[in-house]
Formats: sequence, structure tokens, C-alpha cells
Amino acid sequence: EAGVTQFPSHSVIEKGQTVTLRCDPISGHDNLYWYRRVMGKEIKFLLHFVKESKQDESGMPNNRFLAERTGGTYSTLKVQPAELEDSGVYFCASSPGGYNEQFFGPGTRLTVL
Amino acid sequence: RKEVEQDPGPFNVPEGATVAFNCTYSNSASQSFFWYRQDCRKEPKLLMSVYSSGNEDGRFTAQLNRASQYISLLIRDSKLSDSATYLCVVLSGGYQKVTFGTGTKLQVIP
Repeated sequence: EAGVTQFPSHSVIEKGQTVTLRCDPISGHDNLYWYRRVMGKEIKFLLHFVKESKQDESGMPNNRFLAERTGGTYSTLKVQPAELEDSGVYFCASSPGGYNEQFFGPGTRLTVL
Repeated sequence: RKEVEQDPGPFNVPEGATVAFNCTYSNSASQSFFWYRQDCRKEPKLLMSVYSSGNEDGRFTAQLNRASQYISLLIRDSKLSDSATYLCVVLSGGYQKVTFGTGTKLQVIP
């Protein structure tokens, strides 16, 4: 069974540019989560989708971040315009639901110069 | 006070040693608890779920103490391959909000 996949694995952009990260969850998993780890800090929750609906987006840092999950399958996280403090590793995770284990993707390492 | 707190370590232990990590959480209504393992520059992977009755998987034992609001992880007979960061994860609320601890770094030394 394929795991959670994320694209790209690395992205280096300049301040002010736009970047879109993609996450493909495990097939059949209704729950999809985005997280971010800034260097030296703990992994922080960004938002949670149940199917195509945003269940909880309380962790989104500001309106420069936009997440979508059209059709309830893959999800994208767009950062526009990117700032230096957006650098970090963005993880996506999926789970079948309830209080079950979340399966993490390999992450996208974003560097904003 | 952080919602989930862990000693960041590092814990440097010799092979074969027993090591224990604790994690405290502030939300008494938290429902689910997990230990994840994260290797350097890799994604977190589930090590084990944590139940009130305690659970054991080989050399690993996890315990939950709801009264004192902490969970623990015990690793017996440490192996070099156990070297990693161990993340405490707590789920709370109707939206299953996930909160991570900062992680505890373990280095097993030959």
C-alpha cells in the first residue's frame, strides 16, 4: 500500500515568491493534516481536513497560507507571498479517522531566501 | 506553559542500558496519546499508542498516568538503532487536534 507522498521534497524560493506544496494521502483516508517544523522548534499543527472540508485551521499562521483539498483527495498548501520565517519542513499526514494513528509523508523542506 | 512538554535531552546511553522518557500534557481532556520516532531529516513514524492500562511491544513499554497527566516510554536493552528523537503526541478535542512535544533525543553509544 502506498504511503503518504509529498511534492516537492525540497523547494528553495526567494522572499515574495509563491510556492505550492502538494500532499497525496493514503487512499481512503478521509483525514488529512498539515504540519510545519521550524528549525529548533516542535512540529506545529497547521490545519485538518475531513474529506474536502476544513475541520480545524486554527494553526494557520496568517492569510498568506491557503490550503485546499478539492474532491477530498490530494491537498495543496500555497504560500503567497513567501517570507523568510516560512522556512521549515512541511509535513502532511493522513488517517482513517477518529483518534487513530496518523501516517506522515516525508515532508517538503522549504527554504525562503 | 506548553501544552505538551518533553525533556529535549540528549540522552546519551550505552548499548544495553534501559532508558525512560516522560512527557507531560496540560489538557486534562486529552483523549489519545502516542509515541512517535523521528530519525534525522525523516518523517515521524508511529512507535506505539499509549493506553491507560499500559502497553508493551518488545523492548518498549508505554504508560499513561491520567491523574498526573503524563505519559512515559521505557526502552530496555538499548540498541544503536534506537538512536533517534522520540516525539510525544497528544490528541484533544472533538476535532482531534494534534499537539507535539519538542521531542527527546536519544543517542545510544557503543
